[in-house]
Amino acid sequence: DGGITQSPKYLFRKEGQNVTLSCEQNLNHDAMYWYRQDPGQGLRLIYYSQIVNDFQKGDIAEGYSVSREKKESFPLTVTSAQKNPTAFYLCASSRPITGGVTGELFFGEGSRLTVL
Amino acid sequence: GENVEQHPSTLSVQEGDSAVIKCTYSDSASNYFPWYKQELGKGPQLIIDIRSNVGEKKDQRIAVTLNKTAKHFSLHITETQPEDSAVYFCAASWDNYGQNFVFGPGTRLSVLP
Repeated sequence: DGGITQSPKYLFRKEGQNVTLSCEQNLNHDAMYWYRQDPGQGLRLIYYSQIVNDFQKGDIAEGYSVSREKKESFPLTVTSAQKNPTAFYLCASSRPITGGVTGELFFGEGSRLTVL
Repeated sequence: GENVEQHPSTLSVQEGDSAVIKCTYSDSASNYFPWYKQELGKGPQLIIDIRSNVGEKKDQRIAVTLNKTAKHFSLHITETQPEDSAVYFCAASWDNYGQNFVFGPGTRLSVLP
């Protein structure tokens, strides 16, 4: 089945450590996204990438970094510079918008990061 | 920039009753309004969407209405079932591109048997 796979599902980290969250998709989508989800708040965009080797900052990029070396993969690194990293992180992808196709986001099941 | 508000934050209904969730947006340029459903432990999934040139759209027990003048849109679920229990997010965008979606804070719907 096609879809988006995020790993790990749960992750614990000590303060001062960097951690990388994996996101892989086999939907052949060009665009990929990382969102952060906090209780009582909507999804907030961290980074997005429309094509391989290119990515753009979203609304809350500070303290995060990404890479897009392959179409299928869009890993997110939460650095020690992120002041409040404990959150639920969602990766998504979307199809090219042609022929009236909407920009539907396809999400993974998320990674919950807890900083101890 | 765009701001999306969503009410109520929590909603409990009896099985078989209807549920209505309302969102308001601030940017009159927004013209695409999707609704996503997030079940426990899963990522959100698109359930219905509407464009600004349409006032209402229906898909089985789910419908969305849009009032562009008042800048609000609503999700209507009829004949609710326990599997409708989830968090629902609305979003607004001035185009179809995911990076421009602005999401509401979500509504936790509980359908009581």
